[in-house]
Amino acid sequence: DAGVTQSPTHLIKTRGQHVTLRCSPISGHKSVSWYQQVLGQGPQFIFQYYEKEERGRGNFPDRFSARQFPNYSSELNVNALLLGDSALYLCASSSGLESWTGELFFGEGSRLTVL
Amino acid sequence: DAKTTQPPSMDCAEGRAANLPCNHSTISGNEYVYWYRQIHSQGPQYIIHGLKNNETNEMASLIITEDRKSSTLILPHATLRDTAVYYCIVRVTNTGNQFYFGTGTSLTVIP
Repeated sequence: DAGVTQSPTHLIKTRGQHVTLRCSPISGHKSVSWYQQVLGQGPQFIFQYYEKEERGRGNFPDRFSARQFPNYSSELNVNALLLGDSALYLCASSSGLESWTGELFFGEGSRLTVL
Repeated sequence: DAKTTQPPSMDCAEGRAANLPCNHSTISGNEYVYWYRQIHSQGPQYIIHGLKNNETNEMASLIITEDRKSSTLILPHATLRDTAVYYCIVRVTNTGNQFYFGTGTSLTVIP
């Protein structure tokens, strides 16, 4: 079975541009979460989506947005890019929501560099 | 907000047990403790998780204190491939499934 897949794996943008990152969860998983990992730090929670609805949001500005599609894949959009948005963006999927007590599966990430 | 405190780095001799501590003094009764590791900027890899009882799987053991304010991840026989950053995480359940990662412990297994 395929794991969590993310695209693109690497990309370079300039300040002020926008970026769209994509994630396909493990088959059968209905929950997708997004995390930002700046170099030298642990991942920081951005969003969680479950059954196409936002179910959690971290402390990120409105320039960050996301959505989940009927097939449970997800997009993370970042507008008006800043140098500080340079990071590894991680997508994670799981099978459930509040009552779920299992494992969160991570993809390999999309590395964004903003120049 | 990070809810866990871990030492920034540790060394362990190959073949010996690696004991990684974590403090989570503000943990609530329904919050789980998870451990993940990350090797050289790959995606984090699940190791183990628990609520109150000690847990063991093929990778590691998790020892949680009775007051749940701290825990220890034990890798019984560390190998060079266990060199990674290890994250102790408290899972928040009241709004979605947010995982609070701290800065982790960089474990180096020495030959």
